[in-house]
Amino acid sequence: QVQLQQWGAGLLKPSETLSLTCAVYGGPFSGYYWTWIRQPPGKGLEWIGDIYYSGTTNYNASLQGRVTVSVDTSKNQFSLKLTSVTAADTAVYYCARGVRYCSNGRCRNWFDPWGQGTLVTVSS
Amino acid sequence: QSVLTQSPSMSGTPGQRVTISCSGSISNIASNTVNWYQQLPGKAPKLLIFNDDQRPSGVPDRFSGSKSGTSASLAVSGLQSEDEADYYCAAWDDSLTAPVFGGGTKLTVL
Repeated sequence: QVQLQQWGAGLLKPSETLSLTCAVYGGPFSGYYWTWIRQPPGKGLEWIGDIYYSGTTNYNASLQGRVTVSVDTSKNQFSLKLTSVTAADTAVYYCARGVRYCSNGRCRNWFDPWGQGTLVTVSS
Repeated sequence: QSVLTQSPSMSGTPGQRVTISCSGSISNIASNTVNWYQQLPGKAPKLLIFNDDQRPSGVPDRFSGSKSGTSASLAVSGLQSEDEADYYCAAWDDSLTAPVFGGGTKLTVL
């Protein structure tokens, strides 16, 4: 059974860089979109971006320019960096394994499983 | 403001059948498949339904998904206290070229 375990700093000051890593255990790394999703306190889910196992990245346009997702296939790990954080970036950050494929004009994309989540608080 | 629209809250009594709705557009729900996630209090979301109406292994058949046009629904039959959670719909959006989520529906079991 695939499990994702994530870690990283939980308290940042404004303008600092958020850095999280997610390790994948018990399953193949190839063929999936390794994804970051966040959830501000009391709010809904927001897709941040993902990286295909081969290294191709996709990012939420609202975060473009500040976000980088990278992968280390030798360790079955992937990472998130978000620069110049503000209080608006305070959220629980989740890593997840994404499945995505499109055929006959219809795209299928789901996330399973998810990491345990990391609360990142941005405060001066 | 979420791309997909869900009612913020719903409630039901044990044993009842409830339906949670999710409204989108031609660029997401109408064109692509819908997924549903269950988030228990203080926990990470868990995949409940994928590809409109398919259940991952281990998800009880009390949960079912359906879709029509630009709307999708999650039905929970035989409601149990352990079903009290937040439920999120999600789909790929062709215009945004990104996955999008609903704002979530908090289901309370009275």
